[in-house]
Amino acid sequence: GQQVKQSSPSLTVQEGGISILNCDYENDMFDYFAWYKKYPDNSPTLLISVRSNVDKREDGRLTVFLNKSGKHFSLHITASQPEDTAVYLCAAGEDTGYQNFYFGKGTSLTVIP
Amino acid sequence: EAAVTQSPRSKVAVTGGKVTLSCHQTNNHDYMYWYRQDTGHGLRLIHYSYVADSTEKGDIPDGYKASRPSQENFSLILELASLSQTAVYFCASSDSYAEQFFGPGTRLTVL
Repeated sequence: GQQVKQSSPSLTVQEGGISILNCDYENDMFDYFAWYKKYPDNSPTLLISVRSNVDKREDGRLTVFLNKSGKHFSLHITASQPEDTAVYLCAAGEDTGYQNFYFGKGTSLTVIP
Repeated sequence: EAAVTQSPRSKVAVTGGKVTLSCHQTNNHDYMYWYRQDTGHGLRLIHYSYVADSTEKGDIPDGYKASRPSQENFSLILELASLSQTAVYFCASSDSYAEQFFGPGTRLTVL
């Protein structure tokens, strides 16, 4: 089964608004959670990540919320801008001494000016 | 800055032919990965390696081999390319669990 799921394939937000991107995962042993940003024909780049010992992390306009009991984490982008338009991939995994990391299918965010 | 390069950037191959995708990193990272991306799927892990001369299977290894001859280089080999292997392939490296740095991708079309 799919270990990491992004239920919304697309999201449209007005400029200046808050973009909320959601991700669910299946394995409650996962302890690392990340969001990557991907432009068309480009490689993914890490935006922000958290470990399971925190439930929130802020970095500028970005905030990750982690709900371990619900096996859910989200990315909030405040004051959304047209340059935020991209595909956002969530990822999660477990640090078991080797690395195995699962990505969601992505949510395509469009910020309308 | 971290650097992962891939070659070729795009390739057209014939069914049944052999394809080798190459990845080179200058990050001094121990871990390297090969993913494929298809429409409707997220990135799916094919093979990974945490040390030279050793590779591990990821989630979808069937039809692929991998080779890690040195810390810097990691290759993905399709011995008998098939139509279903048409995809974009990404290589990545990391030195810890924290962040994977991705290469620019290779667009492979199998005809």
